[in-house]
Amino acid sequence: EVQLVESGGGLVQPGGSLSLSCAASGFIFSNYDMNWVRQAPGKGLEWVSFISSTTTTIYYADSVKGRFTISRDNGKNSLYLQMNSLRVEDTAVYYCARDNSGWDYWGQGTLVTVSS
Amino acid sequence: QSVVTQPPSASGTPGQRVTISCSGSSSNIGTNYVYWYQQEVPGTAPKLLIYRNNQRPSGVPDRFSGSKSGTSASLAISGLRSEDEADYYCIAWDDSRSGPVFGGGTKLTVL
Repeated sequence: EVQLVESGGGLVQPGGSLSLSCAASGFIFSNYDMNWVRQAPGKGLEWVSFISSTTTTIYYADSVKGRFTISRDNGKNSLYLQMNSLRVEDTAVYYCARDNSGWDYWGQGTLVTVSS
Repeated sequence: QSVVTQPPSASGTPGQRVTISCSGSSSNIGTNYVYWYQQEVPGTAPKLLIYRNNQRPSGVPDRFSGSKSGTSASLAISGLRSEDEADYYCIAWDDSRSGPVFGGGTKLTVL
């Protein structure tokens, strides 16, 4: 069974940092591109970042470029999102999603709250 | 304001057919595939409904169909059921942004 489990969310002050993880199981993680997607409270979905299966290609949304860093460890079946210089508007549920002609599997999400 | 535009709301009665539109431009819908997601409860994981404009993943009922023409796409739901009440999002890669862009989402109400 395919599973994606995010962790690392929490409360952080503006300007602070947080690191999210996504543990994958039930499939060959190294064969798939991955994404981070977020949803602010009461708002729609927003794509955050993409990383190819071999990490050769990485993209970021303009809203997080220069502040967030996506990475992966295929040996540990894990996806990461390092978030620096956090802003109040980064408050959201963050999902990891497997890329397979569409994002066919998603994690349950982890809540990041940026507030003083 | 979203680069890709959806109506904020739609509604229908059980058994009806409803369509949700998704309007973009030549840099996104006009030249790239469109995908549709259903989110039953905000804050919970969305579900892939349609990929590559009109393809249904296994397990998605054939009541759901997607189409694309030019810079617009649409999701049609036939034989509407109460469990179809959810938020629906379209998304397409945008060449000018080097990333995918979501529509703002459409809240479907089953009356």
